[in-house]
Amino acid sequence: GNSVTQMEGPVTLSEEAFLTINCTYTATGYPSLFWYVQYPGEGLQLLLKATKADDKGSNKGFEATYRKETTSFHLEKGSVQVSDSAVYFCALSATGGGNKLTFGTGTQLKVEL
Amino acid sequence: NAGVTQTPKFRVLKTGQSMTLLCAQDMNHEYMYWYRQDPGMGLRLIHYSVGEGTTAKGEVPDGYNVSRLKKQNFLLGLESAAPSQTSVYFCASSRLAGGHTGELFFGEGSRLTVL
Repeated sequence: GNSVTQMEGPVTLSEEAFLTINCTYTATGYPSLFWYVQYPGEGLQLLLKATKADDKGSNKGFEATYRKETTSFHLEKGSVQVSDSAVYFCALSATGGGNKLTFGTGTQLKVEL
Repeated sequence: NAGVTQTPKFRVLKTGQSMTLLCAQDMNHEYMYWYRQDPGMGLRLIHYSVGEGTTAKGEVPDGYNVSRLKKQNFLLGLESAAPSQTSVYFCASSRLAGGHTGELFFGEGSRLTVL
């Protein structure tokens, strides 16, 4: 079946540090890949997405590239801010309809001054 | 500007009691979903619906029932609550999209505790 594996958290960084959160996936066919973010006390919201190999999704300074050869979709940001503190979820939507998402376990990011 | 609204936000139940979580969306989305979020396990799909009057099982459907009588509403029911159902429940919706590129819009969550 489909699955998503994320690096364990929490990840604690100083403000302006470089961020990488690793994500790898297993799926049949050609899935779409997503990063969702969950701020404290809120629901998830879409951060970025990529729908085919070599696509790069980007938003709010975050980037992720769909690498089919390594089945990866790592999230990166060059300079994190305290306001980026949240839980980040990698997810995939596989062929078959219904837009059903399979989520990773989430990675908590804490950014300190 | 409501989006996806869940009620109630918090609930405490005793083992064996029943309850219903209500999800309402005002975006005219075709698809709706119920997920549960547990520490270390991410979000797992309970049930989903691809249109009014239709429902389907997700990854962890046991102990839950759902109904989609109106396009804008998706109800999640627990007939006999168990402590293992203590969780945070999220409803989401998405528009009908070709392929599988649709973005999900989530509610703020409902925290359920079963004693």
